[in-house]
Amino acid sequence: AQKVTQAQTEISVVEKEDVTLDCVYETRDTTYYLFWYKQPPSGELVFLIRRNSFDEQNEISGRYSWNFQKSTSSFNFTITASQVVDSAVYFCALSEAWITGTASKLTFGTGTRLQVTL
Amino acid sequence: GAGVSQSPRYKVTKRGQDVALRCDPISGHVSLYWYRQALGQGPEFLTYFNYEAQQDKSGLPNDRFSAERPEGSISTLTIQRTEQRDSAMYRCASSLNPGGKPEAFFGQGTRLTVV
Repeated sequence: AQKVTQAQTEISVVEKEDVTLDCVYETRDTTYYLFWYKQPPSGELVFLIRRNSFDEQNEISGRYSWNFQKSTSSFNFTITASQVVDSAVYFCALSEAWITGTASKLTFGTGTRLQVTL
Repeated sequence: GAGVSQSPRYKVTKRGQDVALRCDPISGHVSLYWYRQALGQGPEFLTYFNYEAQQDKSGLPNDRFSAERPEGSISTLTIQRTEQRDSAMYRCASSLNPGGKPEAFFGQGTRLTVV
């Protein structure tokens, strides 16, 4: 069975601070996908990034960066110089990756609420 | 369409009534997923389709829940004889699968309240 653990329930930071959201996963699949989604106060779920299990290269997109470490089953998300607009609940998710490059159902963590204040 | 569209956005129903929730996926997306999200929790898988075929319905809580996608596009999630515990946000997502980009894009959700 797949499992995603986001141990941090809530994090509060002051604007411009860096913050890292932790994600630890469990799976018996040899190939899988990892995702991060953002849920702002308006309630929608916004896709941020997908990582393939066979590609451990870290990724940076503007102020966002992701650190995937297969050895520790972790896929952490760092926001550099946080802004008030980053305030949201962030979900880490995992899915099985089939041989055709298809993802099956997503297993979500319970989310981390990030509050960025001035 | 440009994004995943769900209707209605809000639904209040009396206990015991049947409800039908609709999802219109992104045009050309093969896979369609239904999730349920309780307050303060992550989305929980219900079922998903590739084209019109239901691939996995292991997350449906009981036989009052059913879903269909008869023409491989629009999908309907039906809850019969609703109960108060069915109150939640129901989310639909679609992805380009198979063989394409596997990330799922979510609609705005339907907030179901059973009174």
